Amino acid sequence: EPEVTQTPSHQVTQMGQEVILRCVPISNHLYFYWYRQILGQKVEFLVSFYNNEISEKSEIFDDQFSVERPDGSNFTLKIRSTKLEDSAMYFCASRDRGSMNTEAFFGQGTRLTVV
Amino acid sequence: EDKVVQSPLSLVVHEGDTVTLNCSYEVTNFRSLLWYKQEKKAPTFLFMLTSSGIEKKSGRLSSILDKKELFSILNITATQTGDSAVYLCAVPNYGGATNKLIFGTGTLLAVQP
Repeated sequence: EPEVTQTPSHQVTQMGQEVILRCVPISNHLYFYWYRQILGQKVEFLVSFYNNEISEKSEIFDDQFSVERPDGSNFTLKIRSTKLEDSAMYFCASRDRGSMNTEAFFGQGTRLTVV
Repeated sequence: EDKVVQSPLSLVVHEGDTVTLNCSYEVTNFRSLLWYKQEKKAPTFLFMLTSSGIEKKSGRLSSILDKKELFSILNITATQTGDSAVYLCAVPNYGGATNKLIFGTGTLLAVQP
């Protein structure tokens, strides 16, 4: 069964460092998302991406964040200068175009720990 | 502001019990509601509900939507320890461009042997 894959599964980084989280969405999907889940809190939307550009972003997704789809398969989330409060589980998701009512499939997540 | 509220926040039951998890929502442009199971990491899809009163069923799990009262329930019968997880309710926001999901806080279910 096709799945969304994310790497790495766990990343520890020092405050102020840049990190890149990688995702390979399901191949025929057209909508891509990043969500995050701070420990003990709800899953929150960060950004959606369609047709090689950001479609929507939340207020969390400030200038420190960027997304790219550099080669038609990978979908990356970059945090330029990490802060302690960026520590969270980051989930990538993708969705088929299909009808409006199609579910999003999630990757296993990257646990980011900023120290 | 759109919101999704789940209850209870946590639940401890014994194997064989039946549980009912609740999800209420206030979302503009509502069209569907989704249930996910989150064990250790990724939320895995369970159900998508679009029509009121039509039960969706998968094995011991079932779910129904009430669009008049703005809620959904997820039932699990004859619970097993493998059902222990966080159950997430999410509603796509169709007002935006790409139907981002608005999640509830989840219900943590612990099934004891």
